[in-house]
Amino acid sequence: GESVGLHLPTLSVQEGDNSIINCAYSNSASDYFIWYKQESGKGPQFIIDIRSNMDKRQGQRVTVLLNKTVKHLSLQIAATQPGDSAVYFCAETASSEGTALIFGKGTTLSVSS
Amino acid sequence: IAGITQAPTSQILAAGRRMTLRCTQDMRHNAMYWYRQDLGLGLRLIHYSNTAGTTGKGEVPDGYSVSRANTDDFPLTLASAVPSQTSVYFCASSDKSASGGNEQFFGPGTRLTVL
Repeated sequence: GESVGLHLPTLSVQEGDNSIINCAYSNSASDYFIWYKQESGKGPQFIIDIRSNMDKRQGQRVTVLLNKTVKHLSLQIAATQPGDSAVYFCAETASSEGTALIFGKGTTLSVSS
Repeated sequence: IAGITQAPTSQILAAGRRMTLRCTQDMRHNAMYWYRQDLGLGLRLIHYSNTAGTTGKGEVPDGYSVSRANTDDFPLTLASAVPSQTSVYFCASSDKSASGGNEQFFGPGTRLTVL
């Protein structure tokens, strides 16, 4: 089956550094991607999304980059703060195939002061 | 109610017992979903509903059933719980269908332990 994966299960950074969390997907028909943040004991929270007709999308302190050629997605967090510590999930869907969102296994981001 | 609520927050259940996890949303979203989250496996879709009156199977539907009698509620039932169903269960909703490529909003989760 199709899979969405993250390159690293854990990422440790210092406060103030920029963080980059990567995600690889295998379904070339995927056309919608989301990044979620999940803090301990809580449900996933939407961060940012991107459709396949875009290469880059920016939010507040976050940027998502999509490289369809190599089927790679990344989430960049600028000036990482301790409150950014959480598990980050990417998710994909191929709307033309009628599939639901498929989630990756997650990357745990730890931010130290 | 604001967003999605789930009940109970947590539950310890004896194997073989029947259990219904409740989920209610007040956003008038058409689509609703149930996921289970297990360490190392991420979020896996159990069942979904694109609109009231319809349901569909996800990646791991066995041992679970759902119903969608109205827009707001989407209960998940374990007819006869087994220890492998110990997990954290999340309900979610989105404005459009499961395949519509839209953001899903998640509830706070139910932690279920089956002994």
